[in-house]
Amino acid sequence: DADVTQTPRNRITKTGKRIMLECSQTKGHDRMYWYRQDPGLGLRLIYYSFDVKDINKGEISDGYSVSRQAQAKFSLSLESAIPNQTALYFCATSDFSGSRGNQETQYFGPGTRLLVL
Amino acid sequence: ELKVEQNPLFLSMQEGKNYTIYCNYSTTSDRLYWYRQDPGKSLESLFVLLSNGAVKQEGRLMASLDTKARLSTLHTTAAVHDLSATYFCAVGGTSYGKLTFGQGTILTVHP
Repeated sequence: DADVTQTPRNRITKTGKRIMLECSQTKGHDRMYWYRQDPGLGLRLIYYSFDVKDINKGEISDGYSVSRQAQAKFSLSLESAIPNQTALYFCATSDFSGSRGNQETQYFGPGTRLLVL
Repeated sequence: ELKVEQNPLFLSMQEGKNYTIYCNYSTTSDRLYWYRQDPGKSLESLFVLLSNGAVKQEGRLMASLDTKARLSTLHTTAAVHDLSATYFCAVGGTSYGKLTFGQGTILTVHP
């Protein structure tokens, strides 16, 4: 079974709709992240959470919100979806407390492909 | 603000040839990561480089880090078709955990 799972894997929605993307992990990591990927732009950080009570904005947080329901779950919401939020969204995790020195590799989920019409 | 630039962005090579992808970054960092992404798939960690002069090798891939030049390279010797993928470098900032990614290099290896 995958260590980092995302649901749904694909989603089509209309402008103005509220949607939620979910991420769960069984790696026992304390840190979780949401990124979006657009062609030619690499991955850009939307939000990150270092533990359940520590949530921070990333590079491109406008139009998004998050919830860390438990150490293993981190959800991303689009309150009112717009077409330029069409992208591939990735959740990632890392283990700060248990990492060797400062290695802290991030491990990525399979991605959610979102299309906003 | 940390900026990360990769070049080239597109690389088309014949099997058996060598190639290098370059990753330049704008501010001091002691953590650099290389990832691979196959079409329609997630990102897979390849290398973690944590110190100046660090060199790591796995199969036909070798990564190095020069923190003074703020440059990392990903080198392949005798490319094979299996290496066709998009390769990303990512640089750690002052806050542990946060990474800034390069644009990605799309590598295509032709028979």
